[in-house]
Amino acid sequence: DQQVKQNSPSLSVQEGRISILNCDYTNSMFDYFLWYKKYPAEGPTFLISISSIKDKNEDGRFTVFLNKSAKHLSLHIVPSQPGDSAVYFCAASRTGANSKLTFGKGITLSVRP
Amino acid sequence: DVKVTQSSRYLVKRTGEKVFLECVQDMDHENMFWYRQDPGLGLRLIYFSYDVKMKEKGDIPEGYSVSREKKERFSLILESASTNQTSMYLCASRTTDREVGGYTFGSGTRLTVV
Repeated sequence: DQQVKQNSPSLSVQEGRISILNCDYTNSMFDYFLWYKKYPAEGPTFLISISSIKDKNEDGRFTVFLNKSAKHLSLHIVPSQPGDSAVYFCAASRTGANSKLTFGKGITLSVRP
Repeated sequence: DVKVTQSSRYLVKRTGEKVFLECVQDMDHENMFWYRQDPGLGLRLIYFSYDVKMKEKGDIPEGYSVSREKKERFSLILESASTNQTSMYLCASRTTDREVGGYTFGSGTRLTVV
């Protein structure tokens, strides 16, 4: 049973516009959520995270929103740039020294020049 | 910056071969992980290790084993490689000094089993 779901496999947006990437989770024990970005032939790199005690976290062009009641989070990229074209993975975790991440299937973002 | 190094970027092996994938991290991290990435399936956890000599099964351990004899090295072993183990394999490490997150991934090993 998939605990972290990214239901859209791909998204295409115009450069300069907003990209909104969605993620849903089913495990109510998750209390920390992360987004990773992955280019082909490279490992995933950390992008932004949010704790369940917050509903928004912002870092430059990237903002993550968390709706705990809906078990839904989203990543907003504004403005989108061609270099943002990559696979984005949503991940969730429980707080703890030996915590492990559960990842979604990923979404491929293409930003058109 | 912490570095996670996977010994091979690309590997081609024959069905039935025993395959070793090596991962080394240089920041004294306690936790280490092996994931595989497949199109449409995302990142799935194979095995992880909380510390030296410790190992735990992840979500898809069948056909794999691991070894962690030294803190910096975590090896993934395919006992008898099969074509359905063709995949991108990603190693990661993290420190327990942080309550959450803190993963650093290697660049991956693209394994093809023919």
